[in-house]
Amino acid sequence: GEDVEQSLFLSVREGDSSVINCTYTDSSSTYLYWYKQEPGAGLQLLTYIFSNMDMKQDQRLTVLLNKKDKHLSLRIADTQTGDSAIYFCAEKETGANNLFFGTGTRLTVIP
Amino acid sequence: DAGVTQSPTHLIKTRGQQVTLRCSPKSGHDTVSWYQQALGQGPQFIFQYYEEEERQRGNFPDRFSGHQFPNYSSELNVNALLLGDSALYLCASSQRNWYNQPQHFGDGTRLSIL
Repeated sequence: GEDVEQSLFLSVREGDSSVINCTYTDSSSTYLYWYKQEPGAGLQLLTYIFSNMDMKQDQRLTVLLNKKDKHLSLRIADTQTGDSAIYFCAEKETGANNLFFGTGTRLTVIP
Repeated sequence: DAGVTQSPTHLIKTRGQQVTLRCSPKSGHDTVSWYQQALGQGPQFIFQYYEEEERQRGNFPDRFSGHQFPNYSSELNVNALLLGDSALYLCASSQRNWYNQPQHFGDGTRLSIL
């Protein structure tokens, strides 16, 4: 079955880069997503990548996909205190419309 | 352009009761999915509605049911509430006929069972 794993915690200093990692098991994944959740809020879509791509950049965000190793990462450049939140990796497999989420990585940005 | 809206924002119920949660999709979206997010966990898929029918379902018991209306809004109903149903319930909408339109989420309804 589908399994998406993330490390639970990450702390970085303001201005540094953050790298949040995710591994997944389903080789039929078509799209992989990153969502951000702030306290008391829902999920905000940050970016997504199609499984035939290696990299996608969107302003301060860079997504890297290693399909062979089933590894996905999100790099946030020049991390700010407003980036403190929980970040979820999610996958969608071929033929399905639902998303499978990891347990989330809590990013803490230290001023 | 209104995003996904959910109501109510918070709800307290007791064991055995029934609850109805509501969702209005983002403008232009026709597909609604519901997720349950327990404390400290990632969201888990409950089911998805399109054209007023349940199209896909996750691993949730029949106590969880839903409905979609002609205006694409949706309801999630949970019967015979258990303590373990306490969670944040998230609604997500998307546009089915566009290839891989991502799902956009509302802020959720936090359900507490006493």
